[in-house]
Amino acid sequence: DVKVTQSSRYLVKRTGEKVFLECVQDMDHENMFWYRQDPGLGLRLIYFSYDVKMKEKGDIPEGYSVSREKKERFSLILESASTNQTSMYLCASSMGQDAYEQYFGPGTRLTVT
Amino acid sequence: AQSVTQPDIHITVSEGASLELRCNYSYGATPYLFWYVQSPGQGLQLLLKYFSGDTLVQGIKGFEAEFKRSQSSFNLRKPSVHWSDAAEYFCAVGLTGGFKTIFGAGTRLFVKA
Repeated sequence: DVKVTQSSRYLVKRTGEKVFLECVQDMDHENMFWYRQDPGLGLRLIYFSYDVKMKEKGDIPEGYSVSREKKERFSLILESASTNQTSMYLCASSMGQDAYEQYFGPGTRLTVT
Repeated sequence: AQSVTQPDIHITVSEGASLELRCNYSYGATPYLFWYVQSPGQGLQLLLKYFSGDTLVQGIKGFEAEFKRSQSSFNLRKPSVHWSDAAEYFCAVGLTGGFKTIFGAGTRLFVKA
């Protein structure tokens, strides 16, 4: 079974802090994704990566950056957290060079106060 | 622009009753189609997928979905709902030739005894 793990289930940070969300997958998948999930809006893509050190902006990249130094690990960085970044963050991975099914981690619920 | 519409924000069904969750998409080509389920506090789990071939696809937990090209729909069905099916369901469209998947806003299913 594919396993995608996220470093924290719940996180509380203060406005202006730098926040790191870590994601690790164990199935040698090429592609990794970061989404945020908000009620009524579904999942919105923040960034994705299709290879080590490669990244592409998604639909809502503002205020976020990412890092992929190793194939199994994809980090989401909030350079200066703001209250409007309070959300559920989901990491996912997939194989191949097409939009195949994605495997999700359990999510990190981030609260910025 | 590509989009996925789930017209029902929430649905309540009685245990043992049949279920149909609606999904319509807008995309110029035949997409990859998915249904995911999210239990409270969890990440998303793939229920079923359609890439090509038979337009009626079977998934896990007794779910099935039918692709209707003429209606741009991919509705999810289950003949008899169990209390454990209470969750949020997301329809998703994978854009062929790329990595991107577009998610609907989700339908929350409530099951009453």
